[in-house]
Amino acid sequence: KAGVTQTPRYLIKTRGQQVTLSCSPISGHRSVSWYQQTPGQGLQFLFEYFSETQRNKGNFPGRFSGRQFSNSRSEMNVSTLELGDSALYLCASSLDQVSYEQYFGPGTRLTVT
Amino acid sequence: QKEVEQNSGPLSVPEGAIASLNCTYSDRGSQSFFWYRQYSGKSPELIMFIYSNGDKEDGRFTAQLNKASQYVSLLIRDSQPSDSATYLCAFEGSQGNLIFGKGTKLSVKP
Repeated sequence: KAGVTQTPRYLIKTRGQQVTLSCSPISGHRSVSWYQQTPGQGLQFLFEYFSETQRNKGNFPGRFSGRQFSNSRSEMNVSTLELGDSALYLCASSLDQVSYEQYFGPGTRLTVT
Repeated sequence: QKEVEQNSGPLSVPEGAIASLNCTYSDRGSQSFFWYRQYSGKSPELIMFIYSNGDKEDGRFTAQLNKASQYVSLLIRDSQPSDSATYLCAFEGSQGNLIFGKGTKLSVKP
């Protein structure tokens, strides 16, 4: 069974731009969560989607948004990029909304200059 | 606020030894606990999960959970240089997410 895939793997953007990251969960998994990982803060929860609905959201500004499609694929968008948004963005999939066993994709390394 | 505490390390053990990684958590009501391994430059990989008090063994890995004391540990027997990585402890949050510790860096010396 294929794992979680994320595209693109690397991205360089300038301040003020926006970016869209994509995630395809493991086949059969319907819940997708997004995390931001930085050396200082570790893994921080962004949001979770299940059945095309955002179930929960972490403590991030409104510039961070996401959505999920009917095939469970998910995208996250960051608008008006700031230098501090440079991080590894990780998508994790789980079977459903009650399973906490999450499997991570390879991540997208975003650098904001 | 729910938190996870881990010793950042680095924890250095000789090849063949037992590596012991510990984690304490703040939410007494948590039911699910996870250990992830993250190699440098890679994403976290789920290696163990435990839901009940006691020990759970999987190959060279043993997870131990003590809910009364609010700690969970990971033992790696016969440590190998390939086990050198950062180990992240996590438990369920109230938002359908996992709350992660900052990780313990393990170095296994040949």
